[in-house]
Amino acid sequence: GDSVTQMEGPVTLSEEAFLTINCTYTATGYPSLFWYVQYPGEGLQLLLKATKADDKGSNKGFEATYRKETTSFHLEKGSVQVSDSAVYFCALSDLQGAQKLVFGQGTRLTINP
Amino acid sequence: GAVVSQHPSRVICKSGTSVKIECRSLDFQATTMFWYRQFPKQSLMLMATSNEGSKATYEQGVEKDKFLINHASLTLSTLTVTSAHPEDSSFYICSASQLDRRYEKLFFGSGTQLSVL
Repeated sequence: GDSVTQMEGPVTLSEEAFLTINCTYTATGYPSLFWYVQYPGEGLQLLLKATKADDKGSNKGFEATYRKETTSFHLEKGSVQVSDSAVYFCALSDLQGAQKLVFGQGTRLTINP
Repeated sequence: GAVVSQHPSRVICKSGTSVKIECRSLDFQATTMFWYRQFPKQSLMLMATSNEGSKATYEQGVEKDKFLINHASLTLSTLTVTSAHPEDSSFYICSASQLDRRYEKLFFGSGTQLSVL
């Protein structure tokens, strides 16, 4: 079945550092890919998405490119802030409009001032 | 933005008891709700999908008699873990969807940490 694998955390960086969180997937079809973020005490929020190969999703300085050849959707940010501290989840959906998501295990990110 | 409230955030119970988790959409009507669980260091796994007024659809391997889901109104869904055992200890998350099925309109609760002693 479909699956998502993220780099294991926790990840700790200093403010203004470059961030990469790796995500790879396996899917039988042509899935849509997502990054969700969960801030402390809150629900998961959609951060960005890409629906087809070579699409780049971006939001709040974060970017991820849908790479079909490497089945990857790595999350990047050029300069992180303390407020980016959260848990990040990579996910895919193989069924258009069904909103059924397959998640990775999440990566906890801590940014130190 | 839209908010989904999930209660309780943390519950500890004795083995053999039942635990109810509530998921409410506060400012929109949720035609569909999803329930996920996450074991330590594992992925969030979809347990079931429920549509208001109809029976929930469970994912393969999820016992429907153990995890009772009720979605009786457009703003409330409940998950009851019946006769809980230590292996049911997990993090449970709900999400709620409006009639507009875009992913931007899918909202999550903050989760419930269940510990069964």
